[in-house]
Amino acid sequence: EVQLVESGGGLVQPGRSLKLSCAASGFTFSNYYMAWVRQAPTKGLEWVASITNSGGSTYYRDSVKGRFTISRDNAKSTLYLQMDSLRSEDTATYYCTRDDYDGYYHVPFAYWGQGTLVTVSS
Amino acid sequence: DIVLTQSPALAVSLGQRATISCRASESVRSSMHWYQQKSGQQPKLLIYGASNLASGVPARFSGSGSGTDFTFTIDPVEADDIATYYCQQSRNDPFTFGSGTKLEIK
Repeated sequence: EVQLVESGGGLVQPGRSLKLSCAASGFTFSNYYMAWVRQAPTKGLEWVASITNSGGSTYYRDSVKGRFTISRDNAKSTLYLQMDSLRSEDTATYYCTRDDYDGYYHVPFAYWGQGTLVTVSS
Repeated sequence: DIVLTQSPALAVSLGQRATISCRASESVRSSMHWYQQKSGQQPKLLIYGASNLASGVPARFSGSGSGTDFTFTIDPVEADDIATYYCQQSRNDPFTFGSGTKLEIK
């Protein structure tokens, strides 16, 4: 069974940093693309960043480019999101996701963790 | 960015059919997926590739469409289906989500 368990959320002041982790189990972590998706309180879903299975390529939404860094440790089956220069608009629940591919369709967010809440406030 | 437009809410009686639409601002071919998010929980993939049922998802759920117009259907609706449903496209970067349709029971 695919399991994704996020940690590292909390209350942080604007301009400060926070690092999220996602521990993966139940599958061969190094075979899959991973991503972070966030959801502001009472709002919809928003893709944040993605990373290829090897970690060789990363992708970010414009609003977090230069501030957030996605990375992974395949030996530890763990995904990370380093968040620097945090802003109030980054307040959200952050979900770790895994992709899937059935031979034709690539589904970028096939599996989701339970999420970790990040609150940016003074 | 591709904008996905969904109606905000839909009220349906138990045992009836619920139909949720999603319109894309440009063609996404069949790269459309649907998710269910119950209150306080993470989203769950229900339909991928516009019309393919994800593993373990009941056949009461279905999807159709291609290009810019997509439909998600629950038939019949059960009490446990109360949730917000999101469409999401993976045709173009950045991958985008609709704003969600909240399903309510009449």
